[in-house]
Amino acid sequence: DVKVTQSSRYLVKRTGEKVFLECVQDMDHENMFWYRQDPGLGLRLIYFSYDVKMKEKGDIPEGYSVSREKKERFSLILESASTNQTSMYLCASSSHIAGLKTQYFGPGTRLLVL
Amino acid sequence: AQKVTQAQTEISVVEKEDVTLDCVYETRDTTYYLFWYKQPPSGELVFLIRRNSFDEQNEISGRYSWNFQKSTSSFNFTITASQVVDSAVYFCALRGNAGNMLTFGGGTRLMVKP
Repeated sequence: DVKVTQSSRYLVKRTGEKVFLECVQDMDHENMFWYRQDPGLGLRLIYFSYDVKMKEKGDIPEGYSVSREKKERFSLILESASTNQTSMYLCASSSHIAGLKTQYFGPGTRLLVL
Repeated sequence: AQKVTQAQTEISVVEKEDVTLDCVYETRDTTYYLFWYKQPPSGELVFLIRRNSFDEQNEISGRYSWNFQKSTSSFNFTITASQVVDSAVYFCALRGNAGNMLTFGGGTRLMVKP
């Protein structure tokens, strides 16, 4: 069974704080993803990593950065949180092998920025 | 560019009714993959199915069935004899052959009333 875990289910932060969201997968997947989900907008990709220390911008990278120091862990960083970053954040992972690229998701982190 | 459209934002049915969730996609890739995910109130996206573009055979899994029609660029999902536990947001998604990233539809919220 694929397991993707996220460090927090709920998080409340203040404007200007630095926020770290952690994601860990136990399937030795090469690919890891961070999405945010907002009502009416569906899921939008923030960043994607295809290997340790490698990253690619997704559709909405502004205001975010990421870190992938170990294969199993992918961190999303909000350098200075703002109220418009209040959202549900979802992490996913997948293999890079053709035919096995199905993405598996974690439980999500609901972030509220006050 | 890829696009996935789920025109139904919300559907409400009574238990035991059949319900079909529509998904229409656009892509220039000749080979691609289509997915359905379920998001229950707990928040985690649960993978339901993946189909290759070259396999148009319909699939049935218990009460769930999927109708893939390349001619109309649709990948519809039917739940037979719906149950309250089917209440969730359902997402359709598309991935091109060479890429790793998913394009999601806006989701359809299904409410099954007892």
